[in-house]
Amino acid sequence: NAGVTQTPKFQVLKTGQSMTLQCAQDMNHNSMYWYRQDPGMGLRLIYYSASEGTTDKGEVPNGYNVSRLNKREFSLRLESAAPSQTSVYFCASSSTGNTIYFGEGSWLTVV
Amino acid sequence: GIQVEQSPPDLILQEGANSTLRCNFSDSVNNLQWFHQNPWGQLINLFYIPSGTKQNGRLSATTVATERYSLLYISSSQTTDSGVYFCAAGTGTASKLTFGTGTRLQVTL
Repeated sequence: NAGVTQTPKFQVLKTGQSMTLQCAQDMNHNSMYWYRQDPGMGLRLIYYSASEGTTDKGEVPNGYNVSRLNKREFSLRLESAAPSQTSVYFCASSSTGNTIYFGEGSWLTVV
Repeated sequence: GIQVEQSPPDLILQEGANSTLRCNFSDSVNNLQWFHQNPWGQLINLFYIPSGTKQNGRLSATTVATERYSLLYISSSQTTDSGVYFCAAGTGTASKLTFGTGTRLQVTL
């Protein structure tokens, strides 16, 4: 079972560059999420999608955009990367109001 | 929004010892989950437990929703239990979760 798959796993960007993190789930979940985790901290919600065709801001949405391409895929885009966006990014999915399953994380460094 | 606090922030145990991790939340919740993040960064869901008690092997969890806290019990700890344990709570129907800052557990031989 693949579960939640996110790519790339590691990426180094220069300040001002753009990139897209891809995420796909094969569990037929309605809801998908993007979180970021900074050293010594818990996870903070960037954006979420409660169902196909809808997206909403989370706690820390500035500097990011998302696209719920279909039920399986939810991408996160950094339009102009900044050093403050250096973090580990986790994609996750769930059935509404139920257990959340995480991908393995994407380590992003902005220099 | 909802606030989630975990204690203790750090815990060192000898293998075989028992421990209790606590999670306090500031509002009524309909979603409460516990996660283990292993040393490689992987996040594993341990329990979905908005109320009541559940057990899975050496781990068990209890949530007292009316008093706004949840407890995670680890019995007969093993070195593989090391890592960070996160509690996350949410309200509403969209399953958005707010995470605590975690309890870092180190189990030594």
